[in-house]
Amino acid sequence: GIQVEQSPPDLILQEGANSTLRCNFSDSVNNLQWFHQNPWGQLINLFYIPSGTKQNGRLSATTVATERYSLLYISSSQTTDSGVYFCAVEGSNTGNQFYFGTGTSLTVIP
Amino acid sequence: DVKVTQSSRYLVKRTGEKVFLECVQDMDHENMFWYRQDPGLGLRLIYFSYDVKMKEKGDIPEGYSVSREKKERFSLILESASTNQTSMYLCASSLLRAGVINYGYTFGSGTRLTVV
Repeated sequence: GIQVEQSPPDLILQEGANSTLRCNFSDSVNNLQWFHQNPWGQLINLFYIPSGTKQNGRLSATTVATERYSLLYISSSQTTDSGVYFCAVEGSNTGNQFYFGTGTSLTVIP
Repeated sequence: DVKVTQSSRYLVKRTGEKVFLECVQDMDHENMFWYRQDPGLGLRLIYFSYDVKMKEKGDIPEGYSVSREKKERFSLILESASTNQTSMYLCASSLLRAGVINYGYTFGSGTRLTVV
């Protein structure tokens, strides 16, 4: 399978601060997803982003496939952004299975 | 809106019981997956299926089996539950890749299983 590493493992922010979460992967990929897991355990898709840059409100993501990393930017963080953020990748030779990193746990304090 | 529904949010079972976790999707997706999530270990794939009556082992299939008799339903079975199977179980579905844009996973809300 593909190795997926996320950093940092834990992050504490003051409300209003900005942050960058990183995902490194070990092989070429067909697709990459960023998820947010809320306190109830639900995994919510944030972005499908195999390459390039996308933005959705205060969140944006960039994937540089040739260098095997992706970044998730959170601007003007809010307490509702708290939770665990996962990166998942689908390898070019691994069928439709996605491989997950161990996540970044974000806590936003008021 | 697309949906993946898991039958129970919380479940408590006794050691040795046979346990069924059900997952239903209404998106006509070909692929379905079962993961377990444990602190510090992330999400680990148990089994997946690309079609009806078809199944493939993931990274940690021991102690589990699956059933996919209909396209929309994928069941995870714990043949004889043990305490080390206490975990959060997550079901996901996705479209087959070819010719589809944004074909990634959609997850259910999860089942927290406790085996006592």
